[in-house]
Amino acid sequence: DVKVTQSSRYLVKRTGEKVFLECVQDMDHENMFWYRQDPGLGLRLIYFSYDVKMKEKGDIPEGYSVSREKKERFSLILESASTNQTSMYLCASSFSGGTSVYEQYFGPGTRLTVT
Amino acid sequence: GQQLNQSPQSMFIQEGEDVSMNCTSSSIFNTWLWYKQDPGEGPVLLIALYKAGELTSNGRLTAQFGITRKDSFLNISASIPSDVGIYFCAGNWNQFYFGTGTSLTVIP
Repeated sequence: DVKVTQSSRYLVKRTGEKVFLECVQDMDHENMFWYRQDPGLGLRLIYFSYDVKMKEKGDIPEGYSVSREKKERFSLILESASTNQTSMYLCASSFSGGTSVYEQYFGPGTRLTVT
Repeated sequence: GQQLNQSPQSMFIQEGEDVSMNCTSSSIFNTWLWYKQDPGEGPVLLIALYKAGELTSNGRLTAQFGITRKDSFLNISASIPSDVGIYFCAGNWNQFYFGTGTSLTVIP
């Protein structure tokens, strides 16, 4: 079974804090993704990575950065958390070859509240 | 980014009934995916479709890749209480786009 884990299920942070969200996958997937999910807006892509040390901006990268130092781990960083970053954050991963590249597997999510 | 139009937004059905939901896009896609998300959990992949006209089943779930490549349908037959959750579609053409979800409630 594909397993994608996220470091925290719930987080409460204060405005201005630096926040780290960690994601680990155990299926040797090349691709990893960070999304945020908000009511009425669906999933929106923040950043993705096709390989170690590589990153690409998604639709809403402002206020976020990422790090991929190892193949299995993809970190999302909120440099200075703001209340409008309160959201559910979802990590996903997929293979890079064949049709499997289209099958993204998601972690359980981190519900972040910024006060 | 583009959003997919998914309907209905919510459904309340009796246990045992069949369910249909669909997703449409203004652009063509080369892949359609259907996910289910339980409250407080991440989405779980149900069905993946790769060819226009393709019809694929996964147990009581059946999904179709529309012939125009701009839509997809998901049917659930003989619903049961554990079908409760949010179902959403995703389409891919160089990038993934997601629907806003259909919330399904099954009344025992």
